[in-house]
Amino acid sequence: DTGVSQNPRHKITKRGQNVTFRCDPISEHNRLYWYRQTLGQGPEFLTYFQNEAQLEKSRLLSDRFSAERPKGSFSTLEIQRTEQGDSAMYLCASSQGLPPYEQYFGPGTRLTVT
Amino acid sequence: KQEVTQIPAALSVPEGENLVLNCSFTDSAIYNLQWFRQDPGKGLTSLLLIQSSQREQTSGRLNASLDKSSGRSTLYIAASQPGDSATYLCAVLKTSYDKVIFGPGTSLSVIP
Repeated sequence: DTGVSQNPRHKITKRGQNVTFRCDPISEHNRLYWYRQTLGQGPEFLTYFQNEAQLEKSRLLSDRFSAERPKGSFSTLEIQRTEQGDSAMYLCASSQGLPPYEQYFGPGTRLTVT
Repeated sequence: KQEVTQIPAALSVPEGENLVLNCSFTDSAIYNLQWFRQDPGKGLTSLLLIQSSQREQTSGRLNASLDKSSGRSTLYIAASQPGDSATYLCAVLKTSYDKVIFGPGTSLSVIP
């Protein structure tokens, strides 16, 4: 069990470019969550998957954001036409689909849009 | 709508002091509550999870309590150390099929 991993750890991009982040959950965890965190705030929920099914999406997830989890394993979060307001830490977490549904977080991807 | 608040926003204490961090939530119908630690620029580390049927959980120098009826949880840190300096976040899960809602965190500094 190597924990939740995220790549890349840091991404600097110019406004208008597309970016994609990857999250690899703990093996056998069938739930996967994406959060966004800005400085001084707690993480805000974006979306989550149970296996390959995307069960909920936050209103924060505009049409420029899309997430996938093919085959219920790793997940990708893509942001199209990035804006400066997208600059944040993007966190991924996973949990077993069994009580108590404890979430384990990855190290995050820091996105800076210039 | 569930809202989670944490008081104080920041706390500075001398090494060795015992301290309490507070977390409040508006909807008492929760499934569990989790306390996390976050170091600057890093991800979150789970410290303690309290299920709705439990009153408290302990791990080492940490003790977390839960009072669902009043919508409150506290994290007690005994004999604080400089290595405890970090941001502490609480998060509530409403149902087993719901999302986790985080508080804004308490930034703790333990002065040697």
